[in-house]
Amino acid sequence: EPEVTQTPSHQVTQMGQEVILRCVPISNHLYFYWYRQILGQKVEFLVSFYNNEISEKSEIFDDQFSVERPDGSNFTLKIRSTKLEDSAMYFCASSEGHSKDEQYFGPGTRLTVT
Amino acid sequence: QKEVEQNSGPLSVPEGAIASLNCTYSDRGSQSFFWYRQYSGKSPELIMFIYSNGDKEDGRFTAQLNKASQYVSLLIRDSQPSDSATYLCAVSPTDKLIFGTGTRLQVFP
Repeated sequence: EPEVTQTPSHQVTQMGQEVILRCVPISNHLYFYWYRQILGQKVEFLVSFYNNEISEKSEIFDDQFSVERPDGSNFTLKIRSTKLEDSAMYFCASSEGHSKDEQYFGPGTRLTVT
Repeated sequence: QKEVEQNSGPLSVPEGAIASLNCTYSDRGSQSFFWYRQYSGKSPELIMFIYSNGDKEDGRFTAQLNKASQYVSLLIRDSQPSDSATYLCAVSPTDKLIFGTGTRLQVFP
């Protein structure tokens, strides 16, 4: 069964460094998303991406963040200058067609900022 | 005001019983409703979705939607210890999913 994959599974970085989190959505899906979950808190929406552009973003998704689909398979989240409070699980998700379709999540990347 | 509300639990049920999980939401324009299961340290796993008022059954799971009351529920019949997890209600008024904080379910033998 097709699934969303994410790399790395765990990333440790120092405050102020840039990180890139990578995702491979399900191949026939058209909508891509990033969410994050701080330990013990709820899953929060960051950004949605369709047709090579951002379709919606949350207040969390400020200038520090960017997304890109550099080729036909990868979808990346870049955090430019990491802060301690960026430590969280970051989940990529994708959906097939209509933006309100079911979203399938990848296994996540645990980001630890020290 | 919270957008999606769930009782955090834990909800403890004996093996074989019916577990009933509830969720309310505030955005009346929401069109799509989802239940995800999340085991500790893992990602959300989609288990049910519902778009229309009424009941939708899939195996041991039944989702119920009442848009007038802005209420979604999930019933798990014949609960098993492997069902022990946090159940996340999610609502989609636009592209994004808005999640509740989740209800922790414990099924004891």
